[in-house]
Amino acid sequence: DQQVKQNSPSLSVQEGRISILNCDYTNSMFDYFLWYKKYPAEGPTFLISISSIKDKNEDGRFTVFLNKSAKHLSLHIVPSQPGDSAVYFCAAPVLSGTYKYIFGTGTRLKVLA
Amino acid sequence: GAGVSQSPSNKVTEKGKDVELRCDPISGHTALYWYRQSLGQGLEFLIYFQGNSAPDKSGLPSDRFSAERTGGSVSTLTIQRTQQEDSAVYLCASSTQRGGSPLHFGNGTRLTVT
Repeated sequence: DQQVKQNSPSLSVQEGRISILNCDYTNSMFDYFLWYKKYPAEGPTFLISISSIKDKNEDGRFTVFLNKSAKHLSLHIVPSQPGDSAVYFCAAPVLSGTYKYIFGTGTRLKVLA
Repeated sequence: GAGVSQSPSNKVTEKGKDVELRCDPISGHTALYWYRQSLGQGLEFLIYFQGNSAPDKSGLPSDRFSAERTGGSVSTLTIQRTQQEDSAVYLCASSTQRGGSPLHFGNGTRLTVT
């Protein structure tokens, strides 16, 4: 039962253009979403989050959009830089006795110089 | 300040041997998680510790897997009688456990079972 889905395993974008990473979820009880970035041989690092009471959260070049009716969120990176090349995971905490974070399978972003 | 520290960074073991993976969380973080990432897969939840509460072991794949957290700080994940399918990157994370607070991950232990 994959509650958080990232259907695109990879994405290539030219430097300076917009990168759009997508995530779908099935559990309408999720009230918070997070994006993580992972470089090879490193652990994931927190990037940006959004509460379900909002539809947009912006932090510098990173903006996350939430469409609750479609159970869809997206991460926009503008402008994309070669250093953004990494695997991006979306995640949501599920309160089931404890806060269990459910992660998607990740999207590998490659920004071409 | 120091982040989450995991050791060893790499471990190669023979099938059937036991292994122990260690995690030092960020000081003051009451919640500690273990995840694993198999090749081409997402992050799979294994186990969660919160303070002195009973751990949430619902993600452990078999009874060969166990974990302890001593003194509310350091945690050890033990895999007994390792199998080749146990090969993965094992990631530890900690958080303050305020609702929805982000996890802070270590760099992981890459386990290879030959």
